[in-house]
Amino acid sequence: QSALTQPASVSGSPGQSITISCTGTSSDVGGYNYVSWYQQHPGKAPKLMIYDVSNRPSGVSNRFSGSKSGNTASLTISGLQAEDEADYYCSSYTSSSPWVFGGGTKLTVL
Amino acid sequence: QVQLVQSGAEVKKPGASVKVSCKASGYTFTSYGISWVRQAPGQGLEWMGWISAYNGNTNYAQKLQGRVTMTTDTSTSTAYMELRSLRSDDTAVYYCARDLGGTHSPWGQGTLVTVSS
Repeated sequence: QSALTQPASVSGSPGQSITISCTGTSSDVGGYNYVSWYQQHPGKAPKLMIYDVSNRPSGVSNRFSGSKSGNTASLTISGLQAEDEADYYCSSYTSSSPWVFGGGTKLTVL
Repeated sequence: QVQLVQSGAEVKKPGASVKVSCKASGYTFTSYGISWVRQAPGQGLEWMGWISAYNGNTNYAQKLQGRVTMTTDTSTSTAYMELRSLRSDDTAVYYCARDLGGTHSPWGQGTLVTVSS
């Protein structure tokens, strides 16, 4: 099972909004509403930020939002803050694996 | 609070086995599954498999079939992941995560497994 496709890096200035894409196929992202997003700071364990495409766990800032269109899911971070600088990974249920992660995106806050 | 605490770092020789533990607290252990995810140095996340803490059912990633075994001990709320026939490309940080329908949260702190001769 190939990893989902994410951009290697994105960047933005404090206060701006950025979007990270996660592209799969109809066998994973496009076929199920089971897409999650994780934030990982260097040397730390991943943290769940979004689940089931667009749901935010308790305690996660409402600056984080998720959506999906066709085979591509997206994570949007609004009002960018320095503490948002981290790696972000998407994950999806698949018909074969059953779970697969994206390759990860490094977010730089300029 | 919900917490997963993993065992310490391991150094193994090629061909050996490693068993990593993951002790859960703060929730009813048998109401959730445990997934194991690994991350090679500088690389992304790789899902390894899942075990139901309720009945012990497992689902392993195809590439690890035959080399990995996941178990639980409900008396101590602890999950275990054993990987056999270790190779250098098994060097990674291994994480456990509480799993509910594929939503992984929270995660353990990670266990570094180094495979080197």
